[in-house]
Amino acid sequence: KQEVTQIPAALSVPEGENLVLNCSFTDSAIYNLQWFRQDPGKGLTSLLLIQSSQREQTSGRLNASLDKSSGRSTLYIAASQPGDSATYLCAMRDANAGKSTFGDGTTLTVKP
Amino acid sequence: DVKVTQSSRYLVKRTGEKVFLECVQDMDHENMFWYRQDPGLGLRLIYFSYDVKMKEKGDIPEGYSVSREKKERFSLILESASTNQTSMYLCASSSPTDSATNEKLFFGSGTQLSVL
Repeated sequence: KQEVTQIPAALSVPEGENLVLNCSFTDSAIYNLQWFRQDPGKGLTSLLLIQSSQREQTSGRLNASLDKSSGRSTLYIAASQPGDSATYLCAMRDANAGKSTFGDGTTLTVKP
Repeated sequence: DVKVTQSSRYLVKRTGEKVFLECVQDMDHENMFWYRQDPGLGLRLIYFSYDVKMKEKGDIPEGYSVSREKKERFSLILESASTNQTSMYLCASSSPTDSATNEKLFFGSGTQLSVL
């Protein structure tokens, strides 16, 4: 059974800092990996999706990488802003069943 | 814009009531999912469906049932609501893994259910 771990559980940084969020998984037989953002009391918003055959994806100040051999993914946020404060979750979509397994998330606070 | 719509943003029900949570997607997706999210427990899969009239149990199906009579609509049913079902409920949809179309998982905005 796939297990997804996100470390750290919480992170606080000053505005302008570059930061990395980590996601590790136990089963490399994934179809894709997706990073989400969740604001308090709201649903999940998709940020980036990386297919199993890809190594990374970029969108604006965000860059996500995938290393299946080590069971790791990272989300890099450049020049962080207070508006980036939210919980970030990663999800592994199963190659066979189509289901996704989620990490517990990293809650990011960017201080002005 | 793609859209997954959950019928209620907040819902308050009493113990023992039958509760219906509705979810509609406009992307012609085959796959639909119901999750619940609780502090410290993350997102847990309740039920999912790969096609009309099909349903599969997720990790925590006890106390829940689902209905998918039309492709765009997936309903979660709490047959007799209990206080431990107080939670945030999230609906999601996606295309199949063998589809050439967009394969992202899209979420609705969630329903915060309180059972008193």
